[in-house]
Amino acid sequence: GAVVSQHPSRVICKSGTSVKIECRSLDFQATTMFWYRQFPKQSLMLMATSNEGSKATYEQGVEKDKFLINHASLTLSTLTVTSAHPEDSSFYICSAIYRGGHNWYEQYFGPGTRLTVT
Amino acid sequence: DAKTTQPTSMDCAEGRAANLPCNHSTISGNEYVYWYRQIHSQGPQYIIHGLKNNETNEMASLIITEDRKSSTLILPHATLRDTAVYYCIVREAAGNKLTFGGGTRVLVKP
Repeated sequence: GAVVSQHPSRVICKSGTSVKIECRSLDFQATTMFWYRQFPKQSLMLMATSNEGSKATYEQGVEKDKFLINHASLTLSTLTVTSAHPEDSSFYICSAIYRGGHNWYEQYFGPGTRLTVT
Repeated sequence: DAKTTQPTSMDCAEGRAANLPCNHSTISGNEYVYWYRQIHSQGPQYIIHGLKNNETNEMASLIITEDRKSSTLILPHATLRDTAVYYCIVREAAGNKLTFGGGTRVLVKP
């Protein structure tokens, strides 16, 4: 099946700094990628939809100036958490749309990135 | 997308079949039923999906009732590695977004 990778898998940063997380589709091109956030013992919450070559679409309540998304190529989307604070500590997961034939497509998830802000 | 209701948790015995129910009484005609699972500290993994016919793949079987208001995911021979949170999601065929509910936390016991 299609493979999605994330880098880094874990990151610890100091409060006030910025952190960039990469999401790559390894063996397919993805015009659409998604970014989710998951707090402990909670479900995944969609943060934004990332479309190649255009601005991301953010879900209600997600600050676009704080969570910068860049989808510069068909295989890479990045999420930058700017001026991170301890409450931004979470598990960040991306997914990418894999398009098969006959209008069929599926969504594959990356392994996640554990962000800890100290 | 229609909302789904799943039990919060369930235990099952290793080697036995695990039957995971899901209610989606407001499902509409063009919405599919998807199942994903998430093993601790990993990204979700696609399991199976269906529209109205029962489906089977190497991981599981999906049984959808005739009125499509509920479905059951069957793991035929549960192993310890099947311990995970299982999410039942209803989504339009043309829709991209997956809305995750609470899921069912499945614990496979030896």
